[in-house]
Amino acid sequence: AQSVTQPDIHITVSEGASLELRCNYSYGATPYLFWYVQSPGQGLQLLLKYFSGDTLVQGIKGFEAEFKRSQSSFNLRKPSVHWSDAAEYFCAVGVTNAGKSTFGDGTTLTVKP
Amino acid sequence: DGGITQSPKYLFRKEGQNVTLSCEQNLNHDAMYWYRQDPGQGLRLIYYSQIVNDFQKGDIAEGYSVSREKKESFPLTVTSAQKNPTAFYLCASSKVRATPNNEQFFGPGTRLTVL
Repeated sequence: AQSVTQPDIHITVSEGASLELRCNYSYGATPYLFWYVQSPGQGLQLLLKYFSGDTLVQGIKGFEAEFKRSQSSFNLRKPSVHWSDAAEYFCAVGVTNAGKSTFGDGTTLTVKP
Repeated sequence: DGGITQSPKYLFRKEGQNVTLSCEQNLNHDAMYWYRQDPGQGLRLIYYSQIVNDFQKGDIAEGYSVSREKKESFPLTVTSAQKNPTAFYLCASSKVRATPNNEQFFGPGTRLTVL
């Protein structure tokens, strides 16, 4: 069965510093990978997605992610964090033949001024 | 503007009562989903529907029921059989059914509290 692991429950970075959120997946076939962001008390919003092709994908709000098949990873990065990036971030893998996704447990990002 | 609406935003229920959470989408999406979110546990899939008049159990369906009589609507009923219903409930939809490469669009959520 597919699974997604986000090793970091909580990360704190200073405003202007770089950010990397880790995501590891387990899936037998070609993975379809997503990163979502959730502000407190809100729904989730898609940041970016990977299906095939270029392993470095660009998303909204200045985020990017790199797919590394050899490491089963899809880490999210941002060169310079803004205070408004404080939120919870979820990595997800699409499941074949079911039209659904499996989500990781999320990483909460705190941004220090 | 197209999107997903959930109502109400906050809901309070007495123990032993059933309660129905509303989810409506005007995105013309085929598939719809219900998730439960608890602190530190991410999103857990309750039910999903890929087409009208059909739905499948997710990972934690016990104590919940759904219907899909219209493409736009996917209400969730939390029954008295659900042992610990206090949680944040999220509804989502996606354009294409039965494929993995479909991003999901989420509603704003309903916070259910059992008194």
